[in-house]
Amino acid sequence: ELKVEQNPLFLSMQEGKNYTIYCNYSTTSDRLYWYRQDPGKSLESLFVLLSNGAVKQEGRLMASLDTKARLSTLHITAAVHDLSATYFCAVGRDDKIIFGKGTRLHILP
Amino acid sequence: GAGVSQTPSNKVTEKGKYVELRCDPISGHTALYWYRQSLGQGPEFLIYFQGTGAADDSGLPNDRFFAVRPEGSVSTLKIQRTERGDSAVYLCASSPDAGIPGELFFGEGSRLTVL
Repeated sequence: ELKVEQNPLFLSMQEGKNYTIYCNYSTTSDRLYWYRQDPGKSLESLFVLLSNGAVKQEGRLMASLDTKARLSTLHITAAVHDLSATYFCAVGRDDKIIFGKGTRLHILP
Repeated sequence: GAGVSQTPSNKVTEKGKYVELRCDPISGHTALYWYRQSLGQGPEFLIYFQGTGAADDSGLPNDRFFAVRPEGSVSTLKIQRTERGDSAVYLCASSPDAGIPGELFFGEGSRLTVL
């Protein structure tokens, strides 16, 4: 059974700091996704990672994938308040896409 | 419309009633997913359609839940004899890729409250 674990589940950080969210998964997978969700809103796609060593960057967010370690990271550089949200990783295997519990990120001004 | 549309946005019903939730995917998207999200949790996989057929319905919690997509576009999630534990936000997502899907585009969700 495919399981997806994120840590930390909650993170409060100061503006301007760097931090990393980790996503581990239990079985081999052919794709990994990162999503953002604002309170009361739906999910917004951030990144799709399809191969070992893939790295994608958008603004202050950078995602990477290590399929051998079954690990993806989402790195936040010089955080700003607008990045406060819940971040989900999701892992695809065959037809299913399974989500982690999410990391609730709160950035203090 | 440009995005995934879900109706109703809010549904309040009584225990034991029947409900239908509708999803209108982005035009041309072949893959369609239903998820359920409880407060403070990640989306929980329910069912995946590729075209008209349910390619994977292993996430449906029990036989009170059923979903259809008769013409390969609009999908309806049907819940019989609702229970209080069914209360959640039901999310629909579509993807343009046949076979292994890439990016999923989510709707705003249907919030179901069972009293």
